[in-house]
Amino acid sequence: RKEVEQDPGPFNVPEGATVAFNCTYSNSASQSFFWYRQDCRKEPKLLMSVYSSGNEDGRFTAQLNRASQYISLLIRDSKLSDSATYLCVVRGAYSSASKIIFGSGTRLSIRP
Amino acid sequence: SAVISQKPSRDICQRGTSLTIQCQVDSQVTMMFWYRQQPGQSLTLIATANQGSEATYESGFVIDKFPISRPNLTFSTLTVSNMSPEDSSIYLCSVGGTGTTEKLFFGSGTQLSVL
Repeated sequence: RKEVEQDPGPFNVPEGATVAFNCTYSNSASQSFFWYRQDCRKEPKLLMSVYSSGNEDGRFTAQLNRASQYISLLIRDSKLSDSATYLCVVRGAYSSASKIIFGSGTRLSIRP
Repeated sequence: SAVISQKPSRDICQRGTSLTIQCQVDSQVTMMFWYRQQPGQSLTLIATANQGSEATYESGFVIDKFPISRPNLTFSTLTVSNMSPEDSSIYLCSVGGTGTTEKLFFGSGTQLSVL
């Protein structure tokens, strides 16, 4: 079983739709959680951190469920510019980057 | 956040040659990280570049193949040696991810194609 698993997609949704992705992680000791966005042939960029209480940033809402070991990302009123690959990132111990595990990404395509 | 300049942005190389990728950060950082992202895959950590000591390599990566330099706190290089087509990937340098700066920030990446 992979340490971080994501549905690879692609998710193909119309502009204005709401879309949600889940990501599961296997290490119950994981400490921090993030969603990164990666455009084609570009570097990953931080979209948002994921907090235990859930957090929202504009049209984006992230949730963490420690009991079931998954995080989610909800995008409301999707825009064409939201088309990208969304990487789930999970971090274990604070002291080493080797404990940062990237999911393989979920591809999202927004159609007009 | 950190600003990271990485070059070259892309290159096409012949089998058996080597390519050195440079990464410059706008602030002093203790550790810099090198990742590889193969086509359609996620990021895999190659090594951690520490200033003043040898790089720490992850399982499956060795110094002879991926020598790393870290001459100061703002600069690092990664060399991909004796390249084969299997080395065709995007290579990314990164900072952050430790201590209070949990988030990782990435350079713009080097897209390498080996013929």
